[in-house]
Amino acid sequence: KQEVTQIPAALSVPEGENLVLNCSFTDSAIYNLQWFRQDPGKGLTSLLLIQSSQREQTSGRLNASLDKSSGRSTLYIAASQPGDSATYLCGSLGNTPLVFGKGTRLSVIA
Amino acid sequence: GAGVSQSPSNKVTEKGKDVELRCDPISGHTALYWYRQSLGQGLEFLIYFQGNSAPDKSGLPSDRFSAERTGGSVSTLTIQRTQQEDSAVYLCASSFLRSGGTGELFFGEGSRLTVL
Repeated sequence: KQEVTQIPAALSVPEGENLVLNCSFTDSAIYNLQWFRQDPGKGLTSLLLIQSSQREQTSGRLNASLDKSSGRSTLYIAASQPGDSATYLCGSLGNTPLVFGKGTRLSVIA
Repeated sequence: GAGVSQSPSNKVTEKGKDVELRCDPISGHTALYWYRQSLGQGLEFLIYFQGNSAPDKSGLPSDRFSAERTGGSVSTLTIQRTQQEDSAVYLCASSFLRSGGTGELFFGEGSRLTVL
């Protein structure tokens, strides 16, 4: 059974700092890995999708990497802004529907 | 539609009543998922529909929960005889199936259920 873990559970950084969020999964037989953000009281917004054959994806200030062999993915946020404050979740898709971590709650302080 | 649409956005009900939650997926998406998110908890998978295949119901917590998807589009999640522990946000997602696995998942805003 796939298990997804996100570390840290919470993170507070000053505006402008670069940061890395971590996601690890136990079963490397995944089809893809997707990163989302969730604002309070809202649904999940897709940020980046990495297919199993890919190693990274970039969108603006966001860069996500995938290392299947080690069961790890990272989300790099450059030059963080207060608007980046949200909970970030990763989900892995394999033989079962998307399994999520519990998320990292990010606060970017102005 | 432009995105995944869920209704109602909020539902307050009394213990023991039945509730229905609706999901309109993105047009053309073949896969539809239901998840549940309880306060302070992660997302819990409930049920998955893919095309005309039999749904994966492995995540439904009890036989009080059921879901259907009519015409390969709209889905309804039904909770019978609601209990207080059913209080949560119910999230629906859809995706377009590609070879080797599903594509990108898109979520609705969720239906917040409160059972008094």
